[in-house]
Amino acid sequence: DAGVTQSPTHLIKTRGQHVTLRCSPISGHKSVSWYQQVLGQGPQFIFQYYEKEERGRGNFPDRFSARQFPNYSSELNVNALLLGDSALYLCASSYLAGADTQYFGPGTRLTVL
Amino acid sequence: AQSVSQHNHHVILSEAASLELGCNYSYGGTVNLFWYVQYPGQHLQLLLKYFSGDPLVKGIKGFEAEFIKSKFSFNLRKPSVQWSDTAEYFCAVFSGTYKYIFGTGTRLKVLA
Repeated sequence: DAGVTQSPTHLIKTRGQHVTLRCSPISGHKSVSWYQQVLGQGPQFIFQYYEKEERGRGNFPDRFSARQFPNYSSELNVNALLLGDSALYLCASSYLAGADTQYFGPGTRLTVL
Repeated sequence: AQSVSQHNHHVILSEAASLELGCNYSYGGTVNLFWYVQYPGQHLQLLLKYFSGDPLVKGIKGFEAEFIKSKFSFNLRKPSVQWSDTAEYFCAVFSGTYKYIFGTGTRLKVLA
């Protein structure tokens, strides 16, 4: 079975631009979570979606938004990029929302210049 | 604010040595506790988890962790490490506000 997939693998943007990151969960999983991982830190929780509804939100500004589609895939959007948004963005899927085991994808490396 | 602390950022051990990685969290309510591991070149994956019941939980590859509620701790242990245990280990807490909080991670290097 395919694992969690994310696209693109790498992305370079400039300050002020907008970016969209994509995630496809493991087949059968209905929940997708997004994390930001800065070098030397653990993943920081951004959002959790379940059945297309937001179920949890971390301490990130409104520039960060996400959505989940009927096929359970998800997009993370970041507006007005700042240098500090440079990070590895991880997507994780789980069968249920909440504390269910997270299955992580390879991540998208975003560099903001 | 809720937080997870991992005391050891880098640990170097020889094969067959015993391992204990510390994890403390700051949330006072009901929590679910996890250890995730990232082997070189691989994705983060679950090592073990605690939801309720026996506070000593066993995971994959001979790892175990003990939940001590009075100490807000969930330390990871392995009696005898192998070279293949070289990885980065993350402690994580899930709280009732639908948030996962991860620690900063511990990089373990096992010398053959």
